[in-house]
Amino acid sequence: DAGITQSPRHKVTETGTPVTLRCHQTENHRYMYWYRQDPGHGLRLIHYSYGVKDTDKGEVSDGYSVSRSKTEDFLLTLESATSSQTSVYFCAISDHQGRYNGYTFGSGTRLTVV
Amino acid sequence: KNQVEQSPQSLIILEGKNCTLQCNYTVSPFSNLRWYKQDTGRGPVSLTIMTFSENTKSNGRYTATLDADTKQSSLHITASQLSDSASYICVVSAEDSNYQLIWGAGTKLIIKP
Repeated sequence: DAGITQSPRHKVTETGTPVTLRCHQTENHRYMYWYRQDPGHGLRLIHYSYGVKDTDKGEVSDGYSVSRSKTEDFLLTLESATSSQTSVYFCAISDHQGRYNGYTFGSGTRLTVV
Repeated sequence: KNQVEQSPQSLIILEGKNCTLQCNYTVSPFSNLRWYKQDTGRGPVSLTIMTFSENTKSNGRYTATLDADTKQSSLHITASQLSDSASYICVVSAEDSNYQLIWGAGTKLIIKP
């Protein structure tokens, strides 16, 4: 997806290990979001950022932390991975408050915790 | 509780046929409703965004309708193509929720040749 990349695309990790997912944008958008997508569920917001070092929790933030030290990078860390965190993680960006404008999504990171 | 329900869960149609996907929501106060297309292994891509005052919005062969009174929306796909095979997701935003979008679980559409 143009302007937004996620890494890695796939990862398998063991229970109890820390994991960091990276989202990088070249659009200079202010707002960045981390979502998870699970079968039978809609996307659920984990954390979001409204500027450098400005972040807040979403609806499923337990077990996750984020950091944004630069406009272009938004990191999602699973502090101690659990099997319930096996999911597909999507990063999204928007240039204005997300309610009124479209989001651009990355291609996702498929994380498996064994 | 704010919720978005979509039907059917999955749908199989032949190439060239039309189809309509449904979305019912209980989000209040309503701000806007979006339809996204998600190809397998990819992130969602926006098709339409509609506010309270908009009843119909088209994007090529995709036409979305909104009835804010009954809290229902539909996405109509005309003359389906194999590339339309994807999940279609309805998303509703509440007026008093700064960053929260309420996502439906999606309808998986398969177009067969």
